[in-house]
Amino acid sequence: DIQLTQSPSFLSASVGDRVTITCRASQGTSSYLAWYQQKPGKAPKLLIYSASTLQSGVPSRFSGSGSGTEFTLTISSLQPEDFATYYCHQLSTYPLTFGGGTKVEIK
Amino acid sequence: EVQLLESGGGLVQPGGSLKLSCAASGFTFSTYAMSWVRQAPGKGLEWVSVISGRGDTTFYTDSVKGRFTISRDNSKNTVYLQMNSLRADDTAVYYCAKWGYGSGSRYLDYWGQGTLVTVSS
Repeated sequence: DIQLTQSPSFLSASVGDRVTITCRASQGTSSYLAWYQQKPGKAPKLLIYSASTLQSGVPSRFSGSGSGTEFTLTISSLQPEDFATYYCHQLSTYPLTFGGGTKVEIK
Repeated sequence: EVQLLESGGGLVQPGGSLKLSCAASGFTFSTYAMSWVRQAPGKGLEWVSVISGRGDTTFYTDSVKGRFTISRDNSKNTVYLQMNSLRADDTAVYYCAKWGYGSGSRYLDYWGQGTLVTVSS
């Protein structure tokens, strides 16, 4: 199974901060890497797919990069509505797997 | 507008069975694979299963193999998850999700609101 390790698992930041979350895979996932945002009590929402493609309707302050085994999600200027938990997800190999999540909280 | 509506969750005793349903609308259902993803209380996301658009290919995470069965009825635009021999660690919110394809990749682009399954005596 491909293990996805996200870091940090918890992040405290202020509105306007630049935030970067890392996802490391135990083996290559090619371009089959996605990022989701989840708010309490809600379903996950797709932000980024193919490692760096912004899903339609998602603000441009979100961006993704990386390839192979190391990927990053960046929020260029954190907004109040961005405080949530973020997950990376590999769809390269079964069983599909998710990272453990990164909770972004208000400093 | 794509909509996914799960139902069938509830309280069940250990060793019992439950069948979840996910009714889809707003897209050509038979064209897309569908997945179930679960989330235990206070925990992260765990992928459970996938079924191809035609229903002829399925995959499962190891912990549910032999106990859970995913199926679909394309005439009813519905995907199912039959869960047998339920255990306490199957307690979770279960989401159904639609697969999307683009940029040479694949992803889960729409999710339902989830249905809670509680396994307890």
